[in-house]
Amino acid sequence: DAGVTQSPTHLIKTRGQHVTLRCSPISGHKSVSWYQQVLGQGPQFIFQYYEKEERGRGNFPDRFSARQFPNYSSELNVNALLLGDSALYLCASSSGTLETQYFGPGTRLLVL
Amino acid sequence: GEDVEQSLFLSVREGDSSVINCTYTDSSSTYLYWYKQEPGAGLQLLTYIFSNMDMKQDQRLTVLLNKKDKHLSLRIADTQTGDSAIYFCAETETNDMRFGAGTRLTVKP
Repeated sequence: DAGVTQSPTHLIKTRGQHVTLRCSPISGHKSVSWYQQVLGQGPQFIFQYYEKEERGRGNFPDRFSARQFPNYSSELNVNALLLGDSALYLCASSSGTLETQYFGPGTRLLVL
Repeated sequence: GEDVEQSLFLSVREGDSSVINCTYTDSSSTYLYWYKQEPGAGLQLLTYIFSNMDMKQDQRLTVLLNKKDKHLSLRIADTQTGDSAIYFCAETETNDMRFGAGTRLTVKP
């Protein structure tokens, strides 16, 4: 079985631009969570979606938004990019909101 | 807010045991996890323990939980060079996981 997949693997943007990151969960998993990992730190929780509804949100500004599709895949959108948004963005899937999370390889975003 | 703390570095010789420690502050944590991250990669789930357990063993990995002291440890027996990576402790009560900053394990031949 395929694990969690994310696209693209790498991305370079400039300040003020918009970015969309994509995630496909493990087959059968209905929950997707997004995390931001800045270099040298642990991941920070951004969002969790379950059955297309937002079930949790971390301490991130409104520039960050996400959605989940009927096939349980998800997109993370970030508007008005700042230099500080440069990070590894990790997607994790789980069968339910409180179940063990399995992570994808991440999308590395560089904002110049 | 709740914090998860880990020592930043650990260096051991190949064949020795490694012990990575973690402390957390949220007494209502339900599950505690250990993840491994190799350079340029995502997080690989190693093991987890439910908060009503005090020990879990899985092949070379042993997790010890002291709920009174809010202390979690991961012991890797017979550490190999392939175990060199960053190890993250994480805890969860609801739907968001809180991670430590990670312990960089270096295994010397």
